[in-house]
Amino acid sequence: GENVEQHPSTLSVQEGDSAVIKCTYSDSASNYFPWYKQELGKRPQLIIDIRSNVGEKKDQRIAVTLNKTAKHFSLHITETQPEDSAVYFCAAFYGNKLVFGAGTILRVKS
Amino acid sequence: SAVISQKPSRDICQRGTSLTIQCQVDSQVTMMFWYRQQPGQSLTLIATANQGSEATYESGFVIDKFPISRPNLTFSTLTVSNMSPEDSSIYLCSVILAGGGETQYFGPGTRLLVL
Repeated sequence: GENVEQHPSTLSVQEGDSAVIKCTYSDSASNYFPWYKQELGKRPQLIIDIRSNVGEKKDQRIAVTLNKTAKHFSLHITETQPEDSAVYFCAAFYGNKLVFGAGTILRVKS
Repeated sequence: SAVISQKPSRDICQRGTSLTIQCQVDSQVTMMFWYRQQPGQSLTLIATANQGSEATYESGFVIDKFPISRPNLTFSTLTVSNMSPEDSSIYLCSVILAGGGETQYFGPGTRLLVL
């Protein structure tokens, strides 16, 4: 069935360092992969997404890469800042619904 | 984007009672969804709310426990019926806007505590 695996479950980095979160998906028919950031007590916010016809997408300090052959995609955050601390969720769009990964708690230490 | 509102924002309920959560969007919507997020966990899809017809439920969720209505394109309700402490969770509605492809936006959520 549909499944999205996300690693690591927690990630601690020093301010200014880079952070990478990786996800794998099970259904090769999936064609849309968003990333959400959820701060404590708040709703998930879309931060970047990528479609299957694109290998990489960047938005300032955030980038997402997609490897369709290997069925995995990754979120890259450069020059991390304390305000990047949050839970990050990857997701894959199957048919007409999103399936979410388990989430990664990112802590940026200043 | 759009403004998505949910009512109530939080509630404390007694076991055995029911709570209805409302979701209202200020823009045209193609799809509406209801999710549950248990403490420290990921987002689990409960059902897709279909306008004018029965919702489409995911495995493990049934209409008797989580009845859903969607009387028009921009409004939906989720009822949590015959609640038990295990139903304590955050319930979020999510929408795909008209012309928005597959992009989903979330409402602020309803925090439910069942005693």
